[in-house]
Amino acid sequence: DAKTTQPNSMESNEEEPVHLPCNHSTISGTDYIHWYRQLPSQGPEYVIHGLTSNVNNRMASLAIAEDRKSSTLILHRATLRDAAVYYCILPYNQGGKLIFGQGTELSVKP
Amino acid sequence: SAVISQKPSRDICQRGTSLTIQCQVDSQVTMMFWYRQQPGQSLTLIATANQGSEATYESGFVIDKFPISRPNLTFSTLTVSNMSPEDSSIYLCSVVGGRRSYTFGSGTRLTVV
Repeated sequence: DAKTTQPNSMESNEEEPVHLPCNHSTISGTDYIHWYRQLPSQGPEYVIHGLTSNVNNRMASLAIAEDRKSSTLILHRATLRDAAVYYCILPYNQGGKLIFGQGTELSVKP
Repeated sequence: SAVISQKPSRDICQRGTSLTIQCQVDSQVTMMFWYRQQPGQSLTLIATANQGSEATYESGFVIDKFPISRPNLTFSTLTVSNMSPEDSSIYLCSVVGGRRSYTFGSGTRLTVV
């Protein structure tokens, strides 16, 4: 099974961009790359997902390496409300199940 | 995306008793998932509930402890049986919504005393 590797924690300043990396060196050609985040005391929420091309939505951008072995979630201007644990997951590699690792805990300083 | 109503939001239960958690989805979905999140930990998948068949449990979880029902495509229940303090956790359900994104319920915070 393809696994993802993320740093345990990252820090950012408010109003600055944040780049959250994820390695998935054993990804298969059909694996979508999903990102979820969990705000304190809440259930996880969907952030973004992609297959090969870079993706943008109102929350974030997802930059996918050409060989697809890594990706980066980009928050263009971090706010205090973006402080959360961010998870990079490959659900289709797991039979459609979301298997959560430890994720990256992002803290945002004012 | 799908909207999930999960009940109860929290409960305090005596050891040895059972609690049934309900998840209602506003649209028909094929797969529903149940998770446990122990204090300070990430989410752990308990089982996948498919309508019309038995739930599929992950390693370390058994049907006798966590029986699951899936009577139709919009509803599922998870029961935590014969509870002990170690079962104190947040329990969440999840479904695959539109555009391949997954939606989560707000969670049930269970405390066993």
